[in-house]
Amino acid sequence: GAVVSQHPSWVICKSGTSVKIECRSLDFQATTMFWYRQFPKQSLMLMATSNEGSKATYEQGVEKDKFLINHASLTLSTLTVTSAHPEDSSFYICSARGTLRGPQHFGDGTRLSIL
Amino acid sequence: AQKVTQAQTEISVVEKEDVTLDCVYETRDTTYYLFWYKQPPSGELVFLIRRNSFDEQNEISGRYSWNFQKSTSSFNFTITASQVVDSAVYFCALSEASGGSNYKLTFGKGTLLTVNP
Repeated sequence: GAVVSQHPSWVICKSGTSVKIECRSLDFQATTMFWYRQFPKQSLMLMATSNEGSKATYEQGVEKDKFLINHASLTLSTLTVTSAHPEDSSFYICSARGTLRGPQHFGDGTRLSIL
Repeated sequence: AQKVTQAQTEISVVEKEDVTLDCVYETRDTTYYLFWYKQPPSGELVFLIRRNSFDEQNEISGRYSWNFQKSTSSFNFTITASQVVDSAVYFCALSEASGGSNYKLTFGKGTLLTVNP
């Protein structure tokens, strides 16, 4: 149980394009989803917290207009990297949580490479 | 503010050795949760354990065991008889239960464990 699917797993695109990453909870309803960014050999840094039906809460230093988050249903959240540039290249991971005190279950991550 | 310290950046052992990964945390909350996650080379994060601050019982799951000591703010993870498949980055994480925190996770920097045949 508690499977989170993240798609796509790998994206390579040109600078200036926008990229959308999907995060789905397959067998549970996720009241809250989280988006993380991980640089090579570093830890996970929380970018934003997303509650279904409300605006995402971004961490300090994360550009809201750059990283658009939508959590339209209890099973789907999306992260759109707008006008992506090479410095946005990273490993993006989502997680989903069914209850407030429950553990976060992570997707397999998306490797984003901007040329 | 909460903080998680994993002082060991990298550990290398030979198969069948026991290995302990250290985790020290800081929090002002009396109610919190501690986690361990495994990240193999493929990248996905695998949930291993969650422990709440009121439960100091040690836990064993197969070759894995966890030692939670509030007195030293530590939540160490031991792998017994390590195997090559245990090679991964292991993250310790803390979640505070205070109002408004939304139980966000704060991760340590991770420990890269390499188990050699």
